[in-house]
Amino acid sequence: EAQVTQNPRYLITVTGKKLTVTCSQNMNHEYMSWYRQDPGLGLRQIYYSMNVEVTDKGDVPEGYKVSRKEKRNFPLILESPSPNQTSLYFCASSYSTGGSGYTFGSGTRLTVV
Amino acid sequence: DAKTTQPTSMDCAEGRAANLPCNHSTISGNEYVYWYRQIHSQGPQYIIHGLKNNETNEMASLIITEDRKSSTLILPHATLRDTAVYYCIASWLLQGAQKLVFGQGTRLTINP
Repeated sequence: EAQVTQNPRYLITVTGKKLTVTCSQNMNHEYMSWYRQDPGLGLRQIYYSMNVEVTDKGDVPEGYKVSRKEKRNFPLILESPSPNQTSLYFCASSYSTGGSGYTFGSGTRLTVV
Repeated sequence: DAKTTQPTSMDCAEGRAANLPCNHSTISGNEYVYWYRQIHSQGPQYIIHGLKNNETNEMASLIITEDRKSSTLILPHATLRDTAVYYCIASWLLQGAQKLVFGQGTRLTINP
């Protein structure tokens, strides 16, 4: 089944403890992206990647890092999480231009205490 | 980048057509109209998109006015599983990929 898989689904962590949220797609998509969703603010793009070793900032990149060493994987790294990064995170992927729409993962609900 | 305006919420009876309006009066010639929906807190799901012409797929139809200032998403025979938040997005190409800026969307409730 074609899908975008995120892990973990739920995570509670403490301020300052580095964490990684993984994202993997099995559709050979070139484009991958991370979003966060917060009440009243909608979905906002954090980072995106047009292909392997090509990444760029989205609208809210502060406090996050990404890497794209393989086409299928696009992990989101929080080096020193803070409570304002408590959010619902989504990974998405598509073929190069996204013209046929993005496929989103099921989400990761992160709580930083 | 054009903003879109949608009603906050709508109701529709099961089995009837659900017509979701969207205003995008400042849309530019190279911006597409995309529709996504989000069921509860699941990942958004792509529905349909168009530039000028009306479009139809297995999920829905998209009607875009001739002046492109508004559009309507039509779910022809709504079911309870169509209850979701529907997002209308004016999307443009940014460095080769479609840029999506999500608003608050329309919360559509399908009633039995």
